[in-house]
Amino acid sequence: AQSVAQPEDQVNVAEGNPLTVKCTYSVSGNPYLFWYVQYPNRGLQFLLKYITGDNLVKGSYGFEAEFNKSQTSFHLKKPSALVSDSALYFCAVRDGLGAGNMLTFGGGTRLMVKP
Amino acid sequence: DTAVSQTPKYLVTQMGNDKSIKCEQNLGHDTMYWYKQDSKKFLKIMFSYNNKELIINETVPNRFSPKSPDKAHLNLHINSLELGDSAVYFCASSQGFGLLNTGELFFGEGSRLTVL
Repeated sequence: AQSVAQPEDQVNVAEGNPLTVKCTYSVSGNPYLFWYVQYPNRGLQFLLKYITGDNLVKGSYGFEAEFNKSQTSFHLKKPSALVSDSALYFCAVRDGLGAGNMLTFGGGTRLMVKP
Repeated sequence: DTAVSQTPKYLVTQMGNDKSIKCEQNLGHDTMYWYKQDSKKFLKIMFSYNNKELIINETVPNRFSPKSPDKAHLNLHINSLELGDSAVYFCASSQGFGLLNTGELFFGEGSRLTVL
């Protein structure tokens, strides 16, 4: 079975400060890891993914995430937060061994960036 | 052009009614999905189709019946609607399946279903 945990329901950051949104995962095989963002009344949008290779992955809108195999984590980061980054962020995982295309999502973390 | 489009965007109906949500993707993908997002924003996969064939069918009441007339369309029909069916339903698509798929999902804007 595969699972994802996002331990924080909400993260509050001041504009211009660095932000981190935490994610830990559990899979049987090699993890394929994803971050998505959801703005109000919109569908999810892909931000970045880790499949293999460099542990630091760069994505859209200046976001990046670091894959840490020993800690089974894939935290989302940004060096300088913008008010427009305020949204709901989802971490997701699927088992690289196959398991169809089933992507399991975490419960989401609401990011609030204050001016 | 909208990549993954769902209709209707909003649906308000009475308990016991039957309703359908349609989804179309113009990305040329071969795999499509339905996800349900509840009031706490938790996302759960319901179904996955690859080239019109059902691949994933999670524990969903059989009142929910997906239909894929071709690989660009995946519709969701719900019979005998219940209060607990109220949620936002998202359609998504991706290219490749199983080990061939390392890509991301592309989501529609969602269809908000309210059962009164």
